[in-house]
Amino acid sequence: GQQLNQSPQSMFIQEGEDVSMNCTSSSIFNTWLWYKQDPGEGPVLLIALYKAGELTSNGRLTAQFGITRKDSFLNISASIPSDVGIYFCAGQLEYDGTGKLIFGQGTTLQVKP
Amino acid sequence: EPEVTQTPSHQVTQMGQEVILRCVPISNHLYFYWYRQILGQKVEFLVSFYNNEISEKSEIFDDQFSVERPDGSNFTLKIRSTKLEDSAMYFCASSEMGRRNEQFFGPGTRLTVL
Repeated sequence: GQQLNQSPQSMFIQEGEDVSMNCTSSSIFNTWLWYKQDPGEGPVLLIALYKAGELTSNGRLTAQFGITRKDSFLNISASIPSDVGIYFCAGQLEYDGTGKLIFGQGTTLQVKP
Repeated sequence: EPEVTQTPSHQVTQMGQEVILRCVPISNHLYFYWYRQILGQKVEFLVSFYNNEISEKSEIFDDQFSVERPDGSNFTLKIRSTKLEDSAMYFCASSEMGRRNEQFFGPGTRLTVL
C-alpha cells in the first residue's frame, strides 16, 4: 500500500528550541494534514494544506506543502513542555475522492523544561 | 466547540464475540470514517461513509466489519466475531461538506480482545 515516511521517529529537545519534522512519499498528494496525539487520546488536527508550496501557520506551528506534492514539513518554534506528544502527518492521494487519509508513522516529541 | 464523541472508552470482550462501537459525529458533518491504531503503531484507515453508503474500505475491513448510521446522530462500527488481532484503538472521525479532508477525530475506543 501507499507509504508516508515520517522523520525523525523521535526527538528529545530543550524547552525553547525549535523543532522540525517532515514527511515524504513516492506518491503525489492533494492534501497534507498535521495532527498531534496525546497518550490515550485521538489525533487533534493542527494544520491543513491544500496547494503545492502553501505555507500555513497556527500559532508557533508552521507547515508547508512541498512543491513536488510528495512531501510536507512541520516546524514548531520556541517549544514548551505542553508540545510533548506524537505528531502525525497525513495525506490524501491525488485523484482519491473517498476521503481516505494515509498516516505517517509519527514523530514522538519530548521537551525537557 | 463541537467535537466527535465515542462510547465506550474501553471495551473488553472474548474472542468470537460481537462488539459495537458507537460514535456521535459533529452535527453538521456529512462524511464519517473509522480508523484504527494498534498500540504503538500508526493510524490506519478502515472505512469512509457518505450518504448512507460506504465510499471506500480498506483490506482490513473484511466481512466481519460493518458500519451503520441507524439514526441522524449515531455512526456505529460492528465487528461480528472478534479476533485477538482486532485489539486496538478505534477512532471515529467526521468532516464537513467542502472541507472533506479536514477530519476531526474522536477520543477513541480501546478494544481489548481476550
